[in-house]
Amino acid sequence: GENVEQHPSTLSVQEGDSAVIKCTYSDSASNYFPWYKQELGKRPQLIIDIRSNVGEKKDQRIAVTLNKTAKHFSLHITETQPEDSAVYFCAAIRDNFNKFYFGSGTKLNVKP
Amino acid sequence: KAGVTQTPRYLIKTRGQQVTLSCSPISGHRSVSWYQQTPGQGLQFLFEYFSETQRNKGNFPGRFSGRQFSNSRSEMNVSTLELGDSALYLCASSFGPGGNEQYFGPGTRLTVT
Repeated sequence: GENVEQHPSTLSVQEGDSAVIKCTYSDSASNYFPWYKQELGKRPQLIIDIRSNVGEKKDQRIAVTLNKTAKHFSLHITETQPEDSAVYFCAAIRDNFNKFYFGSGTKLNVKP
Repeated sequence: KAGVTQTPRYLIKTRGQQVTLSCSPISGHRSVSWYQQTPGQGLQFLFEYFSETQRNKGNFPGRFSGRQFSNSRSEMNVSTLELGDSALYLCASSFGPGGNEQYFGPGTRLTVT
C-alpha cells in the first residue's frame, strides 16, 4: 500500500514569514494529492489539492508543488498570519481507489 | 448545501460494549469514508462505502464494521470496545469514488472507560 511521510512534525514561524511543509509518497500510481487544515477541535478542511498532471497550483497565499519523479509534494504558505496556525495534513490517493493515505500532520504555529 | 453531519458528537462507553456511529453525507455525495483520529496515530483510514458497497478497507480488526444505506447515509459499528478505541471518528463524503474532494464531518468523540 501507499506510505506517506510528512515533515516537519512541528513548525514555528513569525507572522509574515513563509512556511513550507513537505510530503513524500511511495506509490507511483497515486495521482491526487490534497492538503487539509485542521484547527483545534474542528474538522479537517480541504484547502488545496493537485493532480498528477499538474506541477504547481496556487490559491492566494497557498500553493502546492508536485514532483512526480521524486514522489514528493509540498505546501507553501506565504505571508503567514496567526489564523494559519493549525495542523496540516497531506494525503496521496490513487484514482478510482478511494483510499486516502494521510501524512502524520504538521503543527504550524504562527507567532504574532 | 448542508455539510457532512455526524451523530452523536460525544459518546462514553465502557469496555466490552458496542457502539454505532452515524454519518450523513452532503446531498448528492455517494461515497462515505471513515477515519479514526488519535494523537499518536494521526488519521487512519477505516473503510469506504460507495453505492451501499464497501470498496476499500483499512487495517483494522473485524470489530470495526460499517454499512451504507440507499440514501448514502452510513453507520459505523465497533463491537467489544477496548480502551484503545478511544478516538475521534471522522467521516468524509465525496461525490464519487476515486480522487474526489472529500469533505469531513465534525466527528464523534468516543471515550471508552
